[in-house]
Amino acid sequence: QPALTQPASVSGSPGQSITISCTGTSGDIGAYNLVSWYQQHPGKAPKVMLYDVSNRPSGVSNRFSGSKSGYTASLTISGLQPEDEADYYCNSYTTSNTYVFGTGTKVTVL
Amino acid sequence: QVQLQESGPGLVKPSETLSLTCFVSGGSISNYYWSWSRQPPGKGLEWIGSVYHSGGSENPALKSRVTLSVDTSKNQVSLRLTSVTAADTAVYYCARFHFRENKYYYYMDVWGKGTTVTVSS
Repeated sequence: QPALTQPASVSGSPGQSITISCTGTSGDIGAYNLVSWYQQHPGKAPKVMLYDVSNRPSGVSNRFSGSKSGYTASLTISGLQPEDEADYYCNSYTTSNTYVFGTGTKVTVL
Repeated sequence: QVQLQESGPGLVKPSETLSLTCFVSGGSISNYYWSWSRQPPGKGLEWIGSVYHSGGSENPALKSRVTLSVDTSKNQVSLRLTSVTAADTAVYYCARFHFRENKYYYYMDVWGKGTTVTVSS
């Protein structure tokens, strides 16, 4: 199963908004609203930021929001802050009862 | 608060079998799904597989080499990967799928810190 496609990098200035896309197929993102997003700082374990496309776990800032259209899910970070600089990965459940991660996006705060 | 701790040999020879364990502290292992993922140096995350006490699923690319299991008596989850090559060199993560109010969710809410495995002779 091929990885979901994400842009390699996205950047923005503090206070700005950025959006990371995650493109899959009819067998994963297109099939269910079961996309989650993970933030990973260097040398650290991933941390879930969104689940079921747009739901935030307790403790996650409301600056993080998500959406989905067709085969593409998106993560938007509003009011970009220095601590948001990290790698971000999408993940989707698939019609084969498996999971697949995205290729990852490096977010840089200018 | 639930914590996960992966452990295993840091170095494995090519063609040998890699065995990792994930010890779960601060909570029960029962009623949860567990997953293993890995991250080669400088690369992205790869889902290896998920396991419940009664079964699970694996990444099709690794399915023939992967065995996942849950040991409720020891409160740990295990990963076995056979015939390893240099391409299996990675940080391996154990994670728990969220479960609340008798509903299973499709995301991983608790992660271990990861354990580094190098495949080299």
